[in-house]
Amino acid sequence: AQSVTQPDIHITVSEGASLELRCNYSYGATPYLFWYVQSPGQGLQLLLKYFSGDTLVQGIKGFEAEFKRSQSSFNLRKPSVHWSDAAEYFCAVGPSINYGGSQGNLIFGKGTKLSVKP
Amino acid sequence: GAGVSQSPSNKVTEKGKDVELRCDPISGHTALYWYRQRLGQGLEFLIYFQGNSAPDKSGLPSDRFSAERTGESVSTLTIQRTQQEDSAVYLCASSLEGALGSNQPQHFGDGTRLSIL
Repeated sequence: AQSVTQPDIHITVSEGASLELRCNYSYGATPYLFWYVQSPGQGLQLLLKYFSGDTLVQGIKGFEAEFKRSQSSFNLRKPSVHWSDAAEYFCAVGPSINYGGSQGNLIFGKGTKLSVKP
Repeated sequence: GAGVSQSPSNKVTEKGKDVELRCDPISGHTALYWYRQRLGQGLEFLIYFQGNSAPDKSGLPSDRFSAERTGESVSTLTIQRTQQEDSAVYLCASSLEGALGSNQPQHFGDGTRLSIL
């Protein structure tokens, strides 16, 4: 079955420190991979996406992510965290192949909440 | 509008009542999705509309949940005889297409926060 695992429920980093949020997936083929950010009371905003080609993808707000097929991972990174980055981050895989499920919908991890210390 | 619009932003209702949540997708987006986000959880897929095809309802948790979409525009998610476990944020997303192999990202609304008393 397809799944996404974000092993860290909550991470706290100091402002200016580097950040890495982990994401592992289980998928039957080369997936499409996404990172979304959700601020309190808001919907999800797309940070970046990987479809094919260069395995290091750049996103908005200074984020990047690297697709590593051998590790089934798509970790999100940022070299220097700002207080405004405090939010919840979701990794997602999709569109899902129809293993008796839906075509088109994303499968989300449970999220990692990021807190930033001054 | 520029983004996906959902209304109401907040809804408080008594157990047993019916509720209706609305989603206005981005103009021109043929695919529309509903997700549920319970407190402290990731997003749970509910239903997916793609153009004029029959919707994929495989994520709906019970027959109390239903959704409709008029053409490629507004969608309404209806929950009948609400239960306390229905309390969650209901998120709508749209994309240019949703067929298998599509690489179009989904754009999300701000959600409707539903609280069942």
